[in-house]
Amino acid sequence: DGGITQSPKYLFRKEGQNVTLSCEQNLNHDAMYWYRQDPGQGLRLIYYSQIVNDFQKGDIAEGYSVSREKKESFPLTVTSAQKNPTAFYLCASSTWGGSYGYTFGSGTRLTVV
Amino acid sequence: KNEVEQSPQNLTAQEGEFITINCSYSVGISALHWLQQHPGGGIVSLFMLSSGKKKHGRLIATINIQEKHSSLHITASHPRDSAVYICAILRSGNQFYFGTGTSLTVIP
Repeated sequence: DGGITQSPKYLFRKEGQNVTLSCEQNLNHDAMYWYRQDPGQGLRLIYYSQIVNDFQKGDIAEGYSVSREKKESFPLTVTSAQKNPTAFYLCASSTWGGSYGYTFGSGTRLTVV
Repeated sequence: KNEVEQSPQNLTAQEGEFITINCSYSVGISALHWLQQHPGGGIVSLFMLSSGKKKHGRLIATINIQEKHSSLHITASHPRDSAVYICAILRSGNQFYFGTGTSLTVIP
């Protein structure tokens, strides 16, 4: 079955360490997105990518980095520069140019201690 | 101010009750989605609306473009409907703006 796979589901890291969250899709979607969810707040866009080797900053990109070397993969690195990294991170994908087929992953809960 | 406002924030209902969740937005949109987030965190898209009304099983979603308002209704609610329901608007390009969600608990 086609879908988005995020791994791991739970992740713990020490403060000051970089950590990379995985997002893989087999839906042949051109566009992929990373969102952050905090309690009491709506999902906020971190980065998005329309095509391979291209990505754009979202509303809260500071302290994060991404790459899009393959159509299927859009990993997110939470760097030590991110001041409040503990959050729930969701990856999504869609066809570009419309919102059809917008699909979310199951998320990764990152806790920095 | 969030461009998408949902109400209520929290809702508790008895099994079988008719439930309504509201979403208001303040900007022009190309589409509106209703999403369901279960306790594990994964999100499922329930509806995409650009006008009128859609129905899927016990779920009904309506949108009034002129009033910038949408509602999600659940008929004959069941404990398995317990989840967070999120309204999301699609503006230019493919970027969504999300409401903060309505946490629904249906008690047997």
